[in-house]
Amino acid sequence: ETGVTQTPRHLVMGMTNKKSLKCEQHLGHNAMYWYKQSAKKPLELMFVYSLEERVENNSVPSRFSPECPNSSHLFLHLHTLQPEDSALYLCASSQGSMGEKLFFGSGTQLSVL
Amino acid sequence: SQKIEQNSEALNIQEGKTATLTCNYTNYSPAYLQWYRQDPGRGPVFLLLIRENEKEKRKERLKVTFDTTLKQSLFHITASQPADSATYLCALHTGGFKTIFGAGTRLFVKA
Repeated sequence: ETGVTQTPRHLVMGMTNKKSLKCEQHLGHNAMYWYKQSAKKPLELMFVYSLEERVENNSVPSRFSPECPNSSHLFLHLHTLQPEDSALYLCASSQGSMGEKLFFGSGTQLSVL
Repeated sequence: SQKIEQNSEALNIQEGKTATLTCNYTNYSPAYLQWYRQDPGRGPVFLLLIRENEKEKRKERLKVTFDTTLKQSLFHITASQPADSATYLCALHTGGFKTIFGAGTRLFVKA
């Protein structure tokens, strides 16, 4: 496998469920990102990890909880979400210290009922 | 706060013509600016990066200009093809690991 892989591709969950999104990068990069893309809106940066340490938390509600166990894996744990959290969640990675040339996965399309 | 605007939501052009997409920003002086392509249901794909001290960058049929005085970047696709139809995103580096994106311009190239 090459590039950035995200699972699952699609997820439907109720507001009381707990689920996790997974991201794996095979590029040897040292930074990983979560972005949210809602319909007809720009990508919104959620979290950034550099060398497994969280370096950005963009005022994201606590119902979203990121985890980065090593430089190749990134998770987004979800609990008690709201319908307005329905969106495409994109993982990205980059090499270097300034977020240049982001490599994105195909995303997880999340629907909250 | 930083604001980034892409000129239009959609752009229709004829095959073979040059497509020109505009990105304007306010309230910041970015070290660099990037352009990405996004197809439906997929993540964005990096195309080009241009730094604040560069005026122009080219890659095959793609050309990007960066005017830090006007706070504007232009993205050109020459000899456009139907396969170039996609959404093109402008992205601004705002410090550290933060990159903010424009809403994108959907390009339709008709055969």
